Parts: sequence; structure tokens; C-alpha cells
Amino acid sequence: DAGITQSPRYKITETGRQVTLMCHQTWSHSYMFWYRQDLGHGLRLIYYSAAADITDKGEVPDGYVVSRSKTENFPLTLESATRSQTSVYFCASSEEAGRLATEAFFGQGTRLTVV
Amino acid sequence: SQQGEEDPQALSIQEGENATMNCSYKTSINNLQWYRQNSGRGLVHLILIRSNEREKHSGRLRVTLDTSKKSSSLLITASRAADTASYFCATAPGDNTDKLIFGTGTRLQVFP
Repeated sequence: DAGITQSPRYKITETGRQVTLMCHQTWSHSYMFWYRQDLGHGLRLIYYSAAADITDKGEVPDGYVVSRSKTENFPLTLESATRSQTSVYFCASSEEAGRLATEAFFGQGTRLTVV
Repeated sequence: SQQGEEDPQALSIQEGENATMNCSYKTSINNLQWYRQNSGRGLVHLILIRSNEREKHSGRLRVTLDTSKKSSSLLITASRAADTASYFCATAPGDNTDKLIFGTGTRLQVFP
């Protein structure tokens, strides 16, 4: 299926566990982004990537790790989950970013609950 | 802190009325985008305006950008119940990074 897909859609995990959220896009877009959405905060950028093997910190990177070994995949790992990381996580991709930015396409989100 | 803040936080109007949402940002930008989010869903791109543009139209949408005031507005004309959603502005900062920074959003309710 064409587009951008996130998995799982829902996840419940325990404090201290490692959890990985997956993001896959089929357009070969160069740029990919991870956001978290919390009530009252809108979307906050966690990490972003300009290409395979190139990643950069966003606004709230602490406690998260990303990798991008292939252009189409951009997994987000919570190394030791905390309750404050309970949130809805969105992945997005775009053909261009920065000065030449084009529209970003979003996945449907992963609702993560840390208990 | 976030780049963009939308105003108002929430807006309720009747069908047929116009809805105006404002976005203020803190630093220079390369471009600004508006997105829409229906409850529980992913975001959908509406319109992009570059820093050298002042106004842009797309269907019932009109976006303005005032870089001297670091602000943008989104006008939805002749609103419909289906326009009920949250609306976010997003900026590409002019700091030579590839970030896309979102604001806090405006929740629009359109009553039939």
C-alpha cells in the first residue's frame, strides 16, 4: 500500500521497558520526522532525518533514539519508557524540507501508554 | 519552546460563517504551512506559503503571511460542519536546519 504507515497503532508498555515504534513510507521521501502530541502542547518534534544515516535532534529528544538505515524506514525507540512518554506519536515524511520545504504526509499515529 | 502559537485556542461558529485563525511565531522562517487534524487522525496538509509571499488562496482557504509581525492567518470562508477539526501552523525556521515546527493548534467547531 502506498503511503506512510505506523505500527503498532496502540501499545501499552511498562515503565522501564524498551519499546520501538515503526514508521514506513513508500514514496522514497528524503525527509522523515517524529512528533509527539500531548493535550495543550500541540505537536512537538522529537527527531528528524534528512536521508539514510542522517538524523538530528528536534525539540524534545531526551529519552528517545532513532535510526535510519534505509530511506523508507524511521523507527523510534524509547530506551527505558517513562510515564511522561505516554502520548500519541506521529511520523511524517516529505520530499523536501527547510528552505525548499514541501508538504509533509503523516501517518495515522501510535497511541502509547506507559503504565 | 514551540515556534508557533495559534490564536484562538478554540473557536465555535455556525455553518456559513467565516473562521479566522492566527499563528504567531518567534524566529525568522523560510516558509509556513497550515495543517488540519480530524479527531484522532493524522494531519493533512492544507496550504504552504513561502516567506516572500504575502497571500495565498486554495478553494475556500485564504492564508496571509506578515513576516514583519511574525504572524500568519488562515481564513476559511463559508464554513461547513465538515470543517470541524483542529488546525495547526507549522514553520520551517530560517536557521539552516530541516526542522518543521508545529504550533499548539486551534480547535474549530462548526455547528450545523
